[in-house]
Parts: sequence; structure tokens; C-alpha cells
Amino acid sequence: AQSVTQLGSHVSVSEGALVLLRCNYSSSVPPYLFWYVQYPNQGLQLLLKYTTGATLVKGINGFEAEFKKSETSFHLTKPSAHMSDAAEYFCAVSLSGGYNKLIFGAGTRLAVHP
Amino acid sequence: DGGITQSPKYLFRKEGQNVTLSCEQNLNHDAMYWYRQDPGQGLRLIYYSQIVNDFQKGDIAEGYSVSREKKESFPLTVTSAQKNPTAFYLCASSRGDARGETQYFGPGTRLLVL
Repeated sequence: AQSVTQLGSHVSVSEGALVLLRCNYSSSVPPYLFWYVQYPNQGLQLLLKYTTGATLVKGINGFEAEFKKSETSFHLTKPSAHMSDAAEYFCAVSLSGGYNKLIFGAGTRLAVHP
Repeated sequence: DGGITQSPKYLFRKEGQNVTLSCEQNLNHDAMYWYRQDPGQGLRLIYYSQIVNDFQKGDIAEGYSVSREKKESFPLTVTSAQKNPTAFYLCASSRGDARGETQYFGPGTRLLVL
């Protein structure tokens, strides 16, 4: 079975500090991995995705994530947090075969304080 | 601008009533999806459609129905059989249904029970 675990339902950082949101997955096949961001009462917006190739993926708004097969992880980072980064972040894995089904983690709510 | 629209933004359902959520896209995407989001949980797939006039059940289809008569439209009906319909409903689309295709999300509809 394929699943996604996001460690920490709430993360709080100071403005200017490093942002690290953790995502671990289980998959029986090479995973395709996604990070989405959701602002309050809005839909999800893609931050970045990994399918094949370079394991360090750069996304929008200064975010990046690194696929580490040995650790089954796809953690999201940003060197310096902005107040505008406060949102909920979802990690997702794409199932193999059949159709383009995404399995989502439970989400991590990021708070940024002055 | 291309995108996905969902209406209404808020919807109130009375006991025993069927309600329909609208989802329209002008991205010329073949595949469309409906997800349900509950607090503290990730998104769960209700139904998906890979092409016009075809759709399949997702993980939590009971109490819901869909149609896909036009490429750009994928309405979701929440029937009276859905006993716990209060949630945030998100529609998404992707260019194709191949694994790894980016899913683009609409702004969501919040359904509340009176």
C-alpha cells in the first residue's frame, strides 16, 4: 500500500528562519511526489513535484525539496520564512498504474511569527 | 485567464436534500477529479473522470454521484444518502490521466448542513 506521512501537524517558525516540513512516503514502485500549498478557504496550488531525474527540485516562492530514496523522504525547505508563507502544506504521492491518483498526507500548518 | 471555477462558494443542505456542486474548467483538460477535505485530514478522492462520458469511483464515493457530459464540466451531487456531508469540496483537473500529471485545483465549495 502506498501512503504519505507528514510529521508535525503544526510547525511554527520566526520570520527569516529556516522552514523544514517533513514528508515520508511508502511506495512499492518509484514514487512521483508533490508538494501543494493551501491558503485559508482556497484551493491547492502546486509548489513543486518530483517525477524522475534530479533529486533536488526547486519550486515556486523559494521552496525546494529533495527526494531521498534511502530515507523514503521528500522534505520541503525554504531558507528564510516570510509572513506570507503561513499556510497549510500537503505532501502527496502518485500511485502507479491505472490513472493519475494522488494520495495526500494529512497536512502541516505553518505559522510564521515576527 | 484559464482556470477552474467552482460554485457556489458556500452551500447549505437541509436534511434529506440533494445538492449539486458545480465545477467548470477552461484549461482543455481531459481528466477531472473531486476531492473531499475534512479538518486535520488530507484530501480524499470521491470520483474521477479520465474523459468525457466516463467516470469512476474513488475511495469515498458512497452518497455521491457525478456526470461528465461535457469536457469542461464535472458536477458533483451530494445525495441524501451521504450522512456526513459537511466538508470542503475541491475539484481538480489535469491535462491527461498519466501518472505524474499535475492536478490543478479550483477554489473549493464549503458544504454545511442546516
